[in-house]
Amino acid sequence: SAVISQKPSRDICQRGTSLTIQCQVDSQVTMMFWYRQQPGQSLTLIATANQGSEATYESGFVIDKFPISRPNLTFSTLTVSNMSPEDSSIYLCSVEGPGSYEQYFGPGTRLTVT
Amino acid sequence: EDQVTQSPEALRLQEGESSSLNCSYTVSGLRGLFWYRQDPGKGPEFLFTLYSAGEEKEKERLKATLTKKESFLHITAPKPEDSATYLCAVQAAGAQKLVFGQGTRLTINP
Repeated sequence: SAVISQKPSRDICQRGTSLTIQCQVDSQVTMMFWYRQQPGQSLTLIATANQGSEATYESGFVIDKFPISRPNLTFSTLTVSNMSPEDSSIYLCSVEGPGSYEQYFGPGTRLTVT
Repeated sequence: EDQVTQSPEALRLQEGESSSLNCSYTVSGLRGLFWYRQDPGKGPEFLFTLYSAGEEKEKERLKATLTKKESFLHITAPKPEDSATYLCAVQAAGAQKLVFGQGTRLTINP
């Protein structure tokens, strides 16, 4: 399995501002995934980030709202732009284990928008 | 559209009282079915992957089974530390995306 860290672990932000969440993995991985978990809900995939190419977004998520960077094989960022209270969620990054389809998750970033 | 439904939403058991959690799914060709445990304020912790009907996997007090339409997570003689939300997810053939169910919130009373 991979060891994944996220920064920040939590934040409280004002409406209209942006927050960038960082995800660091202890090994090189091809794909990194960003999920959202809204209060009381399950996880929904936002986008898949491959190093060296544009992120692929799921239906209902757009690059202008959730820009993603993937500068190398161990790091990615997700920005939540022009935030509203509806963006209050836990944001999680995940990676596939080496040679498997299993995904391992980071600890999450708990975002509250006021 | 791929879908996952978990039942029950919540389950309270006494310590030592065995039970099962259900995960029903529809998917356009199953690559894998995954079980995770999630503690409050933490990310999901990987438990099992099942790939084909009839497959079973065990870990301590947990045993996961798979049929063509559903998966069960059996918990035998649970302890309070098994209290958590258990998530089921499917991955369709040719896809990397995991589609999650709503989870079962399990509470084990001492």
